[in-house]
Amino acid sequence: GENVGLHLPTLSVQEGDNSIINCAYSNSASDYFIWYKQESGKGPQFIIDIRSNMDKRQGQRVTVLLNKTVKHLSLQIAATQPGDSAVYFCAENSPGGYKYIFGTGTRLKVLA
Amino acid sequence: DGGITQSPKYLFRKEGQNVTLSCEQNLNHDAMYWYRQDPGQGLRLIYYSQIVNDFQKGDIAEGYSVSREKKESFPLTVTSAQKNPTAFYLCASSMSGFRETQYFGPGTRLLVL
Repeated sequence: GENVGLHLPTLSVQEGDNSIINCAYSNSASDYFIWYKQESGKGPQFIIDIRSNMDKRQGQRVTVLLNKTVKHLSLQIAATQPGDSAVYFCAENSPGGYKYIFGTGTRLKVLA
Repeated sequence: DGGITQSPKYLFRKEGQNVTLSCEQNLNHDAMYWYRQDPGQGLRLIYYSQIVNDFQKGDIAEGYSVSREKKESFPLTVTSAQKNPTAFYLCASSMSGFRETQYFGPGTRLLVL
């Protein structure tokens, strides 16, 4: 899309397969994380969030995993559909932090 | 139908011109934000407001100005002092402050003629 990175890492998956998108976050003190989905030419859409007192949280077809030891967040999408094609990015927030830190994102391409 | 609206979808600016981007929300959120999105970069915070009649500079406020006269509205003006204004501008809101989930509008694409 014209409004997101032209050279983003890309994950290509077959329709119906599961997708795993990763995010390395920057601040070990961060305790709240969000995954957003952004389609071309549109604003980011909230998918799922997780707080640091949890390792895993499930939504509808999506699961977020948090590994605080290595500062890693992942988004798993089950049975990936063509409508899942978009850029996905994570956001982190820390106590006392006055803003969110946003990742640059990963482009997910779903192959028919 | 609750949400955040931004207008226009596309905006063209001539050199030396100030332009204003609109952001309205009917979510009854106290806090509103403006971000700039450029290729290959994460969202960068321009300005934020946690309550009516108050706003603070973000990381890249130079060349921009805002107002917050109403809870529902947080317009952003891109002034002629902003030398590289071409970007995708996103407005967001949250229930209160930065520790709450932020929800985004559809964005405005600003292009320079």
